[in-house]
Amino acid sequence: AQKVTQAQTEISVVEKEDVTLDCVYETRDTTYYLFWYKQPPSGELVFLIRRNSFDEQNEISGRYSWNFQKSTSSFNFTITASQVVDSAVYFCAPFDTGRRALTFGSGTRLQVQP
Amino acid sequence: GAVVSQHPSWVICKSGTSVKIECRSLDFQATTMFWYRQFPKQSLMLMATSNEGSKATYEQGVEKDKFLINHASLTLSTLTVTSAHPEDSSFYICSARDAGQGAGETQYFGPGTRLLVL
Repeated sequence: AQKVTQAQTEISVVEKEDVTLDCVYETRDTTYYLFWYKQPPSGELVFLIRRNSFDEQNEISGRYSWNFQKSTSSFNFTITASQVVDSAVYFCAPFDTGRRALTFGSGTRLQVQP
Repeated sequence: GAVVSQHPSWVICKSGTSVKIECRSLDFQATTMFWYRQFPKQSLMLMATSNEGSKATYEQGVEKDKFLINHASLTLSTLTVTSAHPEDSSFYICSARDAGQGAGETQYFGPGTRLLVL
């Protein structure tokens, strides 16, 4: 079974600051997928990234970047030059191959103040 | 691409009535759909996995007779909350897994349905 820890419950930053959201996971699978989703106040979850465990290259997409460290079972998410529109709850979610379903962390609520 | 719709977005009903929520994948086929429940300021809890043409797989603690799931086609799954009670009030979210190659288990989520049972 998968387990995921998002230790930061809430983070508040001022616009243009960089912010990193932490995610630590546990798995017994040798290969696995990891996901990040964004849930804005409207409630709809938005897919951000899927990372396969055998691809350890960090990924950048615009202001978003992800740091995957297999050795420490972490998959952290950084927003550079944050904007008010980034305010949302962010979920890290490993894919549970046994249940063939996502296991969601508790989420990190990000507030970006103008 | 990869759009999932959910209907209705809001429903208010009286205690004892049944409510049906539809989840559709609009531009891809989904052999598997998922139903989640989310209470305010909490994470998503998986209720059940819905497989096209077969019975749904329910998570531990979720009553099958209370939450009826039907996945009759590759683009539609429905969740019926039977004899709803105030404690069933919640935000229900569906997701669909793209059956296409290369999708890599990615799930796309619907906008959710807010259910309020009076």
